[in-house]
Amino acid sequence: KNEVEQSPQNLTAQEGEFITINCSYSVGISALHWLQQHPGGGIVSLFMLSSGKKKHGRLIATINIQEKHSSLHITASHPRDSAVYICAVDGNKLVFGAGTILRVKS
Amino acid sequence: DSGVTQTPKHLITATGQRVTLRCSPRSGDLSVYWYQQSLDQGLQFLIHYYNGEERAKGNILERFSAQQFPDLHSELNLSSLELGDSALYFCASSRGTAGVTGELFFGEGSRLTVL
Repeated sequence: KNEVEQSPQNLTAQEGEFITINCSYSVGISALHWLQQHPGGGIVSLFMLSSGKKKHGRLIATINIQEKHSSLHITASHPRDSAVYICAVDGNKLVFGAGTILRVKS
Repeated sequence: DSGVTQTPKHLITATGQRVTLRCSPRSGDLSVYWYQQSLDQGLQFLIHYYNGEERAKGNILERFSAQQFPDLHSELNLSSLELGDSALYFCASSRGTAGVTGELFFGEGSRLTVL
C-alpha cells in the first residue's frame, strides 16, 4: 500500500463545477502540501497545511490529522485550472501521491 | 517566476555518460531539495541540503551525488547514466529548517534524456 493515496486519478469537469480531490496518508506527518503541475511541467506550491483549513481565491484545502485525510476543493472551476494536482506529505522528507489529472472543459 | 533557477532546461546524452544539473535557490532560502519525476515512478525525493550540509536522503542511487556550495547553489551529479535515468529533475528551495520542509518553490526542472 502506498503511503499517500490520491483520488480520483483522473477527473473531467465542466466549467463552473465544484471540484474535490482527496488525499489519504498512512504515516505521521508534520505538514501536507498541495502542488499544481501544468502541462508545461512546472510545479507550483498551492498550500502547505498542518491543521484546519486554508483558502486562496477559489482554492480551499482542508486537513483532518486524526483521520489522516486532506481535500483540495476548487470552486467555480475554469479551463485554466486544468493541471495535475499532487498531494505530498512531510514526515522527515516529502512523499508524493501519484497525482490527479484534472481537465476542465468550457 | 519562483525565483529558483535550474540549468540546463534540456539535456540529451548517451548511456554511460556523466552530467551535472545546477540549481540556484531563491534569495534567502537555505534549504535545497532535489526531486526526480519519471513516468513510471512519479515524483520522488532524492536529497535535501540545508546551509551546505546534507540533511536527508531519499531514493538517490549511489551513481548520483549532490552538494551545496557556500553561495547556497547546489549541483546534482548523475554518472554512469542508464536509460532509466531519463526523467525530469526538479530542484526546490524553502526557508524551512533542517527538520521542517516549509513552503516549497520549484525550479522549472531539467529534462534529461539518456539515449
